[in-house]
Amino acid sequence: KAGVTQTPRYLIKTRGQQVTLSCSPISGHRSVSWYQQTPGQGLQFLFEYFSETQRNKGNFPGRFSGRQFSNSRSEMNVSTLELGDSALYLCASSPRTGGSGNTIYFGEGSWLTVV
Amino acid sequence: EDKVVQSPLSLVVHEGDTVTLNCSYEVTNFRSLLWYKQEKKAPTFLFMLTSSGIEKKSGRLSSILDKKELFSILNITATQTGDSAVYLCAVGVYGGATNKLIFGTGTLLAVQP
Repeated sequence: KAGVTQTPRYLIKTRGQQVTLSCSPISGHRSVSWYQQTPGQGLQFLFEYFSETQRNKGNFPGRFSGRQFSNSRSEMNVSTLELGDSALYLCASSPRTGGSGNTIYFGEGSWLTVV
Repeated sequence: EDKVVQSPLSLVVHEGDTVTLNCSYEVTNFRSLLWYKQEKKAPTFLFMLTSSGIEKKSGRLSSILDKKELFSILNITATQTGDSAVYLCAVGVYGGATNKLIFGTGTLLAVQP
């Protein structure tokens, strides 16, 4: 069974540009979450999508947005990139949302460098 | 504010040693606690704990949760160099239909031959 797949794996962007990252969850998983990982802040929750609806959003500016498609694949977009957006962006999938606790699996991430 | 604290921040051991990693939390509406291993790539799932006092084991790794004292430990016995990694603790909370996890800063484990 394929794991969580993220593309692209590495990218370099210039300040002010925008970027779109893609995530394909594990087959059958309907929940997709996004996290930002930086050396200073660690792993921080960005947002979660389930059945094409955003279920929860972390404390990030509106420049960070996402969406989920009917096949559960998800994309996140960052507009007007800033140097501080340089980070590893991790996608995580889970079979469902809510309940007493769900196992959550991570993809290998997209390394974004803003110059 | 919800908080997850891991200790120690880092440690160095020799192969064959046993290590204990700690995770304490202060969150509203605890749902679950998860442990991950991260080696310069995707965090790899280790355990999910939801009930107090029930030990989960996988090979040389084991973990237990204490919901009264609000902490969990991850034990690794007979450590190997391949165990070198950052170990992350994360807590899931209730709050609508959500899989949001709150992560600790991690414990960096270095196992020397």
